Amino acid sequence: AQTVTQSQPEMSVQEAETVTLSCTYDTSENNYYLFWYKQPPSRQMILVIRQEAYKQQNATENRFSVNFQKAAKSFSLKISDSQLGDTAMYFCAFLAYSGAGSYQLTFGKGTKLSVIP
Amino acid sequence: DVKVTQSSRYLVKRTGEKVFLECVQDMDHENMFWYRQDPGLGLRLIYFSYDVKMKEKGDIPEGYSVSREKKERFSLILESASTNQTSMYLCASSLPGQNNEQFFGPGTRLTVL
Repeated sequence: AQTVTQSQPEMSVQEAETVTLSCTYDTSENNYYLFWYKQPPSRQMILVIRQEAYKQQNATENRFSVNFQKAAKSFSLKISDSQLGDTAMYFCAFLAYSGAGSYQLTFGKGTKLSVIP
Repeated sequence: DVKVTQSSRYLVKRTGEKVFLECVQDMDHENMFWYRQDPGLGLRLIYFSYDVKMKEKGDIPEGYSVSREKKERFSLILESASTNQTSMYLCASSLPGQNNEQFFGPGTRLTVL
């Protein structure tokens, strides 16, 4: 079974600064996908960024980028130029095959990020 | 845009009641999921469905059942609600395959008294 660990329950960052959220996972699979989801206060969960394990290049989406270290099973999220709208719960998730042609996401416990004006 | 809707944002029920949580998606997605979200525990998968009338148990199916009679609709049923089922319930849908993101509904905050 896969496990996903987010070791920082809460973090804060000054507006316009850079912050890194950590995530580690455990798996015996070689090909898989990793995701970061964002859940703003009282709003829907949305996808921030995804990474395919077979790609060595780190994924980037505007101010969001990942540092994917496959050997270390680490998948951290870097937010540059933090904005007040980045205040949210952030969840790291691992996608694994669960049989019958379907895939199942396993989530970490989340990191609550507060951006301070 | 994909839209996933859930029948209620807030729901209050009494212990022992039968509770139905409804989820509808409008993008013809094959896969649908029910999670519960609790502080400090993240999201845990209750059940999922990869086709009409098909269902698979997730990590915490005990005390729950599901129904998927139509492709767009996935219902979560609490046969006899208990106080430990007080939680936020999130529905999600996706296309099949490994690369496809899950799209989430707004959630239903259920309180069982």
